[in-house]
Amino acid sequence: GESVGLHLPTLSVQEGDNSIINCAYSNSASDYFIWYKQESGKGPQFIIDIRSNMDKRQGQRVTVLLNKTVKHLSLQIAATQPGDSAVYFCAAGSGGSNYKLTFGKGTLLTVNP
Amino acid sequence: EPEVTQTPSHQVTQMGQEVILRCVPISNHLYFYWYRQILGQKVEFLVSFYNNEISEKSEIFDDQFSVERPDGSNFTLKIRSTKLEDSAMYFCASGVMGANVLTFGAGSRLTVL
Repeated sequence: GESVGLHLPTLSVQEGDNSIINCAYSNSASDYFIWYKQESGKGPQFIIDIRSNMDKRQGQRVTVLLNKTVKHLSLQIAATQPGDSAVYFCAAGSGGSNYKLTFGKGTLLTVNP
Repeated sequence: EPEVTQTPSHQVTQMGQEVILRCVPISNHLYFYWYRQILGQKVEFLVSFYNNEISEKSEIFDDQFSVERPDGSNFTLKIRSTKLEDSAMYFCASGVMGANVLTFGAGSRLTVL
């Protein structure tokens, strides 16, 4: 079955540094991956996604890298800001538009001013 | 920006009682989901719903759980006889046909005593 895990439960960075959050997945059939941000008291908020036919996708200050060979993806946040402090989840899915996502446990990112 | 809204934000109930959690998905969305997150653990898929029927459910979603879309706007999760282990944050999410991104609500925290 699908399992998605995160390498580090916590990450602390200085404001302005780049942050890298890692995630591993186990199901080779996974073809869609999402990073979510969850702030205290809120639901998961979409950050960026990537399909398995890509190995890199960039957004505003964020980049997701996908390595299908080792079933690993990462989220890079450039010039991390205090507002980026949150728990970050990776999630994996497969199949059509009826997405059943499998989430990782989450990494708590703390940005120090 | 359109939101998924959930009520109540927090409900405390006695073991064995029935609970109904309510969600108002985004108006043009056709796919609806319930996820839950036990404190400190991963977000877990419960059920997906499309075209007025359950399209997929997890092992967690046993006979004690049911979902309903009683009108054109609400999507409810009912737990018939709550157990202590049902205590969790329950997230509703909705999605657009053909799109992959789910929009999550802020969650309903259920505490079973």
